[in-house]
Amino acid sequence: QSVLTQPPSVSGAPGQRVTISCTGNNSNIGATFDVHWYQQFPGTVPKLLIYANTNRPSGVPDRFSGSKSGTSASLAITGLQAEDEADYYCQSYDLSLSGSRVFGGGTKLTVL
Amino acid sequence: QVQLQESGPGLVKPSQTLSLTCTVSGDSISSGTYYWNWIRQPAGKGLEWIGLIYSSGSTDYNPSLKSRVAISVDTSKNQFSLRLSSVTAADTAVYYCARDGRPTTPRDNWFDPWGQGTLVTVSS
Repeated sequence: QSVLTQPPSVSGAPGQRVTISCTGNNSNIGATFDVHWYQQFPGTVPKLLIYANTNRPSGVPDRFSGSKSGTSASLAITGLQAEDEADYYCQSYDLSLSGSRVFGGGTKLTVL
Repeated sequence: QVQLQESGPGLVKPSQTLSLTCTVSGDSISSGTYYWNWIRQPAGKGLEWIGLIYSSGSTDYNPSLKSRVAISVDTSKNQFSLRLSSVTAADTAVYYCARDGRPTTPRDNWFDPWGQGTLVTVSS
């Protein structure tokens, strides 16, 4: 059971906009810790997609955007493309117990 | 360009200790700029942060693994290492090493870049 909750799967047609939610609580996202997002294709290394809630590393298309509000964060993908089909993970820091960096359980994006 | 490379045995027997090393190139661990991490991913499952180390040797571990984990650093070799004791089949996973994305921030940070990962199987 992940501390950060993501939907197991989302889907959308090419060209559409999809969002992936990441729900936490007042021990992590709600405690003002940043949220980061990773994209992972099967058999490959996770790739940083969004850092510190809203920032895109160099080379990440502006079709990808992040937001954060209260105890939740979201990753939005506009102009969906077949190549976006992958697993997406959110990550933050959690104060409970002794404190730990934590990941969401991951969301499988399917492009219809 | 910073690169990280994991190395170590791909097969470990149950109850034994898993040992992996991450060799860093393109950056110096001893510079004390970043924290260095271990992360794992069982096949078909999500990511789990294991712990981190700083150049001084200070560490922080995932509370769920803390009793079995030790991370150490060898700045002379620009390497840091993971030891996980009393392993079971549940510890079978791809193990990644990764650098922090933001300098000198032990808590609120992201992972970038990552190593290629190494599969460790726990089996007799």
